[in-house]
Amino acid sequence: KQEVTQIPAALSVPEGENLVLNCSFTDSAIYNLQWFRQDPGKGLTSLLLIQSSQREQTSGRLNASLDKSSGRSTLYIAASQPGDSATYLCALSGFQKLVFGTGTRLLVSP
Amino acid sequence: DGGITQSPKYLFRKEGQNVTLSCEQNLNHDAMYWYRQDPGQGLRLIYYSQIVNDFQKGDIAEGYSVSREKKESFPLTVTSAQKNPTAFYLCASDRQGGNQPQHFGDGTRLSIL
Repeated sequence: KQEVTQIPAALSVPEGENLVLNCSFTDSAIYNLQWFRQDPGKGLTSLLLIQSSQREQTSGRLNASLDKSSGRSTLYIAASQPGDSATYLCALSGFQKLVFGTGTRLLVSP
Repeated sequence: DGGITQSPKYLFRKEGQNVTLSCEQNLNHDAMYWYRQDPGQGLRLIYYSQIVNDFQKGDIAEGYSVSREKKESFPLTVTSAQKNPTAFYLCASDRQGGNQPQHFGDGTRLSIL
């Protein structure tokens, strides 16, 4: 059974700092890995999707990497801003469904 | 703009009552999903449907029921058999075949009266 772990559970940084969020998983037989953002009381917004055959994806200040052999993915956020404050979740796509991590709650202070 | 609409935003259930959460999408997606989110936990899959008139149980289907009579709609009923229904419920959809991001609605928060 796929298990997905996100560390740290919470992170507080000053504005402008570069930061890395971690996601680890137990089963490397995946179709893709997705990173989502969730604002309080809202649904999830897809940030990046890395297909199983890819090693990384970039969108603006965000870069996500995937290393299936070690069962890890990282989300790198460059030059963090207060508007980046949210919960970030990773999810692994197996057969027909996603398995989610518990998320990292990020607070970027001005 | 295309998207997923969930209603109501807040819902209260009395003991012994069934309640139905609505989910409508205009993204022309084949697959739709229902998740439950509890504080400090990740999303857990309740039911999913890949095609009209067909659906499968997820990891925590007990006490819930669904229907998929139209491609655009995937309502979730929380029955009286679900003894701990208080949670945030999220509906999602994506294209058949994988490797496409899931799109989410804004959720329904269900509480017990």
